Amino acid sequence: DVKVTQSSRYLVKRTGEKVFLECVQDMDHENMFWYRQDPGLGLRLIYFSYDVKMKEKGDIPEGYSVSREKKERFSLILESASTNQTSMYLCASRAQINQPQHFGDGTRLSIL
Amino acid sequence: AQSVTQLDSQVPVFEEAPVELRCNYSSSVSVYLFWYVQYPNQGLQLLLKYLSGSTLVKGINGFEAEFNKSQTSFHLRKPSVHISDTAEYFCAVSRYEKLTFGTGTRLTIIP
Repeated sequence: DVKVTQSSRYLVKRTGEKVFLECVQDMDHENMFWYRQDPGLGLRLIYFSYDVKMKEKGDIPEGYSVSREKKERFSLILESASTNQTSMYLCASRAQINQPQHFGDGTRLSIL
Repeated sequence: AQSVTQLDSQVPVFEEAPVELRCNYSSSVSVYLFWYVQYPNQGLQLLLKYLSGSTLVKGINGFEAEFNKSQTSFHLRKPSVHISDTAEYFCAVSRYEKLTFGTGTRLTIIP
């Protein structure tokens, strides 16, 4: 079974802080994704990565950046956290295009 | 561009009754279709997928979905629901690199 592990289930940070959300997958998948989930809006894609050191903007990249230095790890960075970034963040990985994505359990982030 | 519409944000159903969760998509090209389930405080889990072949797709936990190209629909069905099916269900469409999700349907089972 594919295992996607997000480093924190719950996180509380203050406005203006730099926040790192970490995600690790154990199936040697090429593609990795970061989404945020908000009530009534479903999942929205922030960034994705096809391979190590590659990244592509998703639908809502503003205020976020990502890092993929190793194939198994994909980090989401909030450069200067704001209250409107309070949300559930979900990481996913996928073996190849048009195959199902496998999700972590999510990080519920609160920015105070 | 592709989009997904889940017409019902909430669906209450009595235990052991059948259920249908509706999903319509729009795309100018062929797509791949998925249903995911999210139990409380968890990530998304794949229920079933349509990539090609038979239009009736069977998934886990007794769910199935039918791909209807002419109506651009991919409705999810279960003949008899259980309390443990209480969750949020997401339809998603994929073409090449991106997966586009619907806004979700919250299924509530009434004992």
